[in-house]
Amino acid sequence: GENVEQHPSTLSVQEGDSAVIKCTYSDSASNYFPWYKQELGKRPQLIIDIRSNVGEKKDQRIAVTLNKTAKHFSLHITETQPEDSAVYFCAASRPGGNQGGKLIFGQGTELSVKP
Amino acid sequence: IAGITQAPTSQILAAGRRMTLRCTQDMRHNAMYWYRQDLGLGLRLIHYSNTAGTTGKGEVPDGYSVSRANTDDFPLTLASAVPSQTSVYFCASSDSPSTGDTQYFGPGTRLTVL
Repeated sequence: GENVEQHPSTLSVQEGDSAVIKCTYSDSASNYFPWYKQELGKRPQLIIDIRSNVGEKKDQRIAVTLNKTAKHFSLHITETQPEDSAVYFCAASRPGGNQGGKLIFGQGTELSVKP
Repeated sequence: IAGITQAPTSQILAAGRRMTLRCTQDMRHNAMYWYRQDLGLGLRLIHYSNTAGTTGKGEVPDGYSVSRANTDDFPLTLASAVPSQTSVYFCASSDSPSTGDTQYFGPGTRLTVL
């Protein structure tokens, strides 16, 4: 089955710097890769996603890149702000039949943005 | 519109007891999911349901059961709780079980099994 590895587990940056979180996946059939942000004590919330027919997607200060050949995808946050501090999760899912929609998550990255 | 709700918010349970975690959504989503979240392990899928009347096993289904009698409700039952089931449980739903549909999460239930 699918396996998703996420690195680093913790990341500390200064306000205004960029942050990059990387994930690798094992199932070459996976074609959907969302990123979730989870603030302390809150529920995970989708911040951006990418599908396998796209190499890069951007939404204001966040962007995601996908390399299907290497089976890895990354989250980039520019001009970080203290409110970006949270745990970020990557995930992957594959299409088809009763497998559709089932997300396999990475282990999470705790991002700390220091003022 | 409440979205997706879970109950209880938290619970302390003695080992061996039976417990049902409730999940209700009012978005008329077809698919629903149960995850557990443990430190350092991310979110792991326990069971899912692509539509009312059907359920399937996720990554860590042992010790848990689910039912989907209607579109809105997706309860998770621990028949005989064990300490290793101490975790935060999240229910989620999506409009379609197809790949690429956004999953919306409930607020979670923090369960402690002693």
